[in-house]
Amino acid sequence: GENVEQHPSTLSVQEGDSAVIKCTYSDSASNYFPWYKQELGKRPQLIIDIRSNVGEKKDQRIAVTLNKTAKHFSLHITETQPEDSAVYFCAASPGDSSYKLIFGSGTRLLVRP
Amino acid sequence: GAGVSQTPSNKVTEKGKYVELRCDPISGHTALYWYRQSLGQGPEFLIYFQGTGAADDSGLPNDRFFAVRPEGSVSTLKIQRTERGDSAMYLCASSLQTGGISGELFFGEGSRLTVL
Repeated sequence: GENVEQHPSTLSVQEGDSAVIKCTYSDSASNYFPWYKQELGKRPQLIIDIRSNVGEKKDQRIAVTLNKTAKHFSLHITETQPEDSAVYFCAASPGDSSYKLIFGSGTRLLVRP
Repeated sequence: GAGVSQTPSNKVTEKGKYVELRCDPISGHTALYWYRQSLGQGPEFLIYFQGTGAADDSGLPNDRFFAVRPEGSVSTLKIQRTERGDSAMYLCASSLQTGGISGELFFGEGSRLTVL
């Protein structure tokens, strides 16, 4: 089945710097890759997603890139702000069960003011 | 309601007891999911409903876990003979997704289960 690995587990950056979180997946048939943000004690919320027919997608300060050949995808946050501090989860949708998501183990991002 | 609602928000029980966790999805969402999240980990898939039927229960850890969605809306996750290892946050999510096509999941705030 699908396996998603996420790195780093923790990331500390200065406000205004960029942050990059990377994930790899094992199922070459996976076709949907969302990113969720979970603030402390809150529910996970979708921040951006990408499908396998696209290589890159941007939404203001957030971008996601996908390399299907290498089976990895990354989240890029530019001009980080303290309110970006949270746990970020990547996920992949397996090819044989595309209704569900397999999540990575999460990255705790701390943006220092 | 406006979002996915889960009750109780916190449940403390003793080993061996029976527990029910309830999820009220967003109105009109036919797809409903249960996930389990342990501390420091990502959500782990448990079960998926499309309408009233459990289309995929492959993530349920063992036969002590069962979930129902009798009218295609509210769902209940039932755990029998609870064990300390069942302690976790249980997240419910719903989606407009149909036909097996992946899309955004809307999560509830979760039910934190502690088994003493």
